[in-house]
Amino acid sequence: GQQLNQSPQSMFIQEGEDVSMNCTSSSIFNTWLWYKQDPGEGPVLLIALYKAGELTSNGRLTAQFGITRKDSFLNISASIPSDVGIYFCAGHHTSGTYKYIFGTGTRLKVLA
Amino acid sequence: DTEVTQTPKHLVMGMTNKKSLKCEQHMGHRAMYWYKQKAKKPPELMFVYSYEKLSINESVPSRFSPECPNSSLLNLHLHALQPEDSALYLCASSQMGLINTGELFFGEGSRLTVL
Repeated sequence: GQQLNQSPQSMFIQEGEDVSMNCTSSSIFNTWLWYKQDPGEGPVLLIALYKAGELTSNGRLTAQFGITRKDSFLNISASIPSDVGIYFCAGHHTSGTYKYIFGTGTRLKVLA
Repeated sequence: DTEVTQTPKHLVMGMTNKKSLKCEQHMGHRAMYWYKQKAKKPPELMFVYSYEKLSINESVPSRFSPECPNSSLLNLHLHALQPEDSALYLCASSQMGLINTGELFFGEGSRLTVL
């Protein structure tokens, strides 16, 4: 099925560093969702974005809904070892539909 | 409470077995989903139920049979599966109606191994 372009695909960072990742689409979305998934577990919703330009924080995580409505960014500040996992973005076109388009994932590894 | 509960967490079955995966949510959500996820890949949509009616079937083989007994429960019946069907099966739910928050909540998944 359709997927969003998510980058980087993977990254190794030192503990304490800031992390940035993004998703881009050829389509306009009304909602952007960011998830973290640990091995063998289901994705956990981190942040939901509903308006173009919206900037939302959840602890050390900050996500933005791009002005063009075709992209979104997730930043993690002062990374810690438990930030390890796969981060997925997901876009939702319009209200009343049931299809969420997922990004290809960013695998994050934090070096202590 | 934003919890979607899936059972069993792990399932091993032979190709001739019949088994079921179960999912439950008590958030009052009216849309429920089954996703399949292979290692290091994003979730792939299989089925969507809206108001207890099947609204989307993403051309899933008939050896997978979904069922929505009520607005809180979702089952996935498995029969004559193939080894390539081994994957993490995820249930999810979202609020649908006049106001759609767009938030999709996942369960912890059922790890299926087909021998």
